[in-house]
Amino acid sequence: DGGITQSPKYLFRKEGQNVTLSCEQNLNHDAMYWYRQDPGQGLRLIYYSQIVNDFQKGDIAEGYSVSREKKESFPLTVTSAQKNPTAFYLCASNQGDRSYEQYFGPGTRLTVT
Amino acid sequence: AQSVSQHNHHVILSEAASLELGCNYSYGGTVNLFWYVQYPGQHLQLLLKYFSGDPLVKGIKGFEAEFIKSKFSFNLRKPSVQWSDTAEYFCAVVTDTGKLIFGQGTTLQVKP
Repeated sequence: DGGITQSPKYLFRKEGQNVTLSCEQNLNHDAMYWYRQDPGQGLRLIYYSQIVNDFQKGDIAEGYSVSREKKESFPLTVTSAQKNPTAFYLCASNQGDRSYEQYFGPGTRLTVT
Repeated sequence: AQSVSQHNHHVILSEAASLELGCNYSYGGTVNLFWYVQYPGQHLQLLLKYFSGDPLVKGIKGFEAEFIKSKFSFNLRKPSVQWSDTAEYFCAVVTDTGKLIFGQGTTLQVKP
């Protein structure tokens, strides 16, 4: 069954700690994306990668980092520099061409206290 | 800067009522347009999309949307909503650079 998996579903961290969110896809998609969803603000792009070993900043990259060492995996690290990290994080992927829809994972809800 | 605006943030309807959710985008180039839906506890999923051709596109579950280029709009419609349509709806546009830009979302609550 093809799809995108994100783990864990819920994550709790103390302020000042870095935390890494997992995203794996078995759709053989070239491109992967990370979004942050906040109430009333829709989804905002954090980082995206169109090919292995390459990635670009999205609109709100500050305080986040990513890696793309394998086609299937695109982990997101929320660093202690992110001022307001509590949010719902969504990972997506597509073939990489702008005409292809993006497929989304179930999301990870991160709470930092 | 490119942006997408959804006018209605929270809509409450009774079953069988008609639905229209507004979406406007600000981008002068060629666009691909999408409506995504997020049902409670489920993944964000594609409702319908417009790339070219007939500006009236039909999606899943009886939804449709009309692309009006002159108005930079892509409004979502459904003639008769059901309780199961309760969800959050997002309009999105892909620009020439390939980035997907989302609107703020509209929460639809359908009363049985």
